[in-house]
Amino acid sequence: SQTIHQWPATLVQPVGSPLSLECTVEGTSNPNLYWYRQAAGRGLQLLFYSVGIGQISSEVPQNLSASRPQDRQFILSSKKLLLSDSGFYLCAWSVSYADTQYFGPGTRLTVL
Amino acid sequence: AQSVTQLDSQVPVFEEAPVELRCNYSSSVSVYLFWYVQYPNQGLQLLLKYLSGSTLVKGINGFEAEFNKSQTSFHLRKPSVHISDTAEYFCAVSDRNDYKLSFGAGTTVTVRA
Repeated sequence: SQTIHQWPATLVQPVGSPLSLECTVEGTSNPNLYWYRQAAGRGLQLLFYSVGIGQISSEVPQNLSASRPQDRQFILSSKKLLLSDSGFYLCAWSVSYADTQYFGPGTRLTVL
Repeated sequence: AQSVTQLDSQVPVFEEAPVELRCNYSSSVSVYLFWYVQYPNQGLQLLLKYLSGSTLVKGINGFEAEFNKSQTSFHLRKPSVHISDTAEYFCAVSDRNDYKLSFGAGTTVTVRA
């Protein structure tokens, strides 16, 4: 069966520091991968999605970037964090385009 | 892109009572519909989905939802809730030709004894 992992589970970072969140999927090949952010009291906002290695599409221009160095690895990064980057970050995968998305456990990021 | 409206932000309910969470979406084209549940500090878990076929969809934990194309709705129901159903519930919609999943703002269900 397929599983999705995210780490770290929680992170507290100062403003201006870099960020790296990792997501990996097991049990499937060439998944579509997604990064979402969930701010307090709000719904989910799609940040990035990827249909293959090195292929990244950005949904919202902002302080973050994403990379997919391996088939089942998806990384969310920032060079300098802002207070507004605080939130709950969720990674998801799907078998194919427009298919059901399955979510990881999330990373709680607090920027101080 | 789709627009999804969850009509109730908070739903308090007593244990063993029924609950209905309402969801409406904007598109007139063919869609896929989903309900997810999120327990505190956890990721989203798929409750059920509608892709095609029967408009009444049964999911995990005793939940079901009905797709109504004419009313562009996909309401979630459970005939008898438990304390453990306390969580946030998200409705999501995607066009059949699009990768993008649009989420509603969520409905927080609080089950009281």
